[in-house]
Amino acid sequence: GDSVTQMEGPVTLSEEAFLTINCTYTATGYPSLFWYVQYPGEGLQLLLKATKADDKGSNKGFEATYRKETTSFHLEKGSVQVSDSAVYFCAPSTGGGNKLTFGTGTQLKVEL
Amino acid sequence: NAGVTQTPKFRVLKTGQSMTLLCAQDMNHEYMYWYRQDPGMGLRLIHYSVGEGTTAKGEVPDGYNVSRLKKQNFLLGLESAAPSQTSVYFCASSYGRRDYEQYFGPGTRLTVT
Repeated sequence: GDSVTQMEGPVTLSEEAFLTINCTYTATGYPSLFWYVQYPGEGLQLLLKATKADDKGSNKGFEATYRKETTSFHLEKGSVQVSDSAVYFCAPSTGGGNKLTFGTGTQLKVEL
Repeated sequence: NAGVTQTPKFRVLKTGQSMTLLCAQDMNHEYMYWYRQDPGMGLRLIHYSVGEGTTAKGEVPDGYNVSRLKKQNFLLGLESAAPSQTSVYFCASSYGRRDYEQYFGPGTRLTVT
């Protein structure tokens, strides 16, 4: 079945540091790719998405590029803020029902 | 615009009791989903629906039943709760197109003692 591999957390960074969270996936067909963010005590919110190869999704300074040849969708941000502290989930969407497959998530902690 | 709402927010059950979680969406979405979130395991799909009157099993359906009698509502039932069902439950909805995201509710924290 479909699966997602994300780097283990927690990832702890200083404010204004560069962020990379790696994501690789296996999926049947041609998935759309999503990054979701979950702040403490809340549900998941869409951060960004890409729907075809070489597309770049971006939002709030975060970016990720759909790399079909390496089945990857790594998340990057040039300068993180304390308010970016959250859990980040990479998820391909495939199959009947456009179901999302989640990895374990990567917890990010940003310190002053 | 409320988006996706879930009722209740918190619940404590004793083993063997039953309960129903309600999910409602006001975006006229065709597809709806129930997930559970456990520490270190991400989110796992329990059941989903691609339209009013239809349901299908996800990754972890055992011990749960669902119904989609109205397009805007998706109910998740536990007939005989077990401690292994202690979790946070999230509902989501979507237009169902491949390129369209799912919108999530705020979650229900369920504890089974």
